[in-house]
Amino acid sequence: GAGVSQTPSNKVTEKGKYVELRCDPISGHTALYWYRQSLGQGPEFLIYFQGTGAADDSGLPNDRFFAVRPEGSVSTLKIQRTERGDSAVYLCASSSGGGDGYTFGSGTRLTVV
Amino acid sequence: DQQVKQNSPSLSVQEGRISILNCDYTNSMFDYFLWYKKYPAEGPTFLISISSIKDKNEDGRFTVFLNKSAKHLSLHIVPSQPGDSAVYFCAASGAYNTDKLIFGTGTRLQVFP
Repeated sequence: GAGVSQTPSNKVTEKGKYVELRCDPISGHTALYWYRQSLGQGPEFLIYFQGTGAADDSGLPNDRFFAVRPEGSVSTLKIQRTERGDSAVYLCASSSGGGDGYTFGSGTRLTVV
Repeated sequence: DQQVKQNSPSLSVQEGRISILNCDYTNSMFDYFLWYKKYPAEGPTFLISISSIKDKNEDGRFTVFLNKSAKHLSLHIVPSQPGDSAVYFCAASGAYNTDKLIFGTGTRLQVFP
């Protein structure tokens, strides 16, 4: 596709439930990033994939968060036992490594009630 | 500890005038800096970047200035247009666009007629 696609655009879930957030990067982009943006804050790094492997997962807040990118394209961010503090906009970005910055998707707004 | 700081949460400028958005950073290992623009319900979009080997980069109405000794960068928009009204994020990286980005908290720019 022309841009980075994230689904769903909005997700409301109950505390304690499991959620999956999907990211379709720009075709051919080898690098894929997940960020989380809370209200009034800038995007906060979670994890970075280069191809199929997680090159840097230092931003994942705890072991309830996990992400995969099995074929080096689509990525899924998985959150177990969701908590109200997980409520945020989850942004995905992809990059070809060039000097023009990332291309971000529109994000998934996760609300844990 | 906030490594990238945008101390002005908002800025209001008249159309046609210059907008100056400021950003400070604390980590001397950062060597690549970017500005992103964000409209509501959309992901951030790349605007302009600068490498630490330069002190200025210009692209049309947008110019970024970097003062390494002061660990300070600024984005100048001239002339400002109503369509420039958005939240602007400064971001820094330790490598040329292949590493995670550390974002500031953003400055909301309002350009009025």
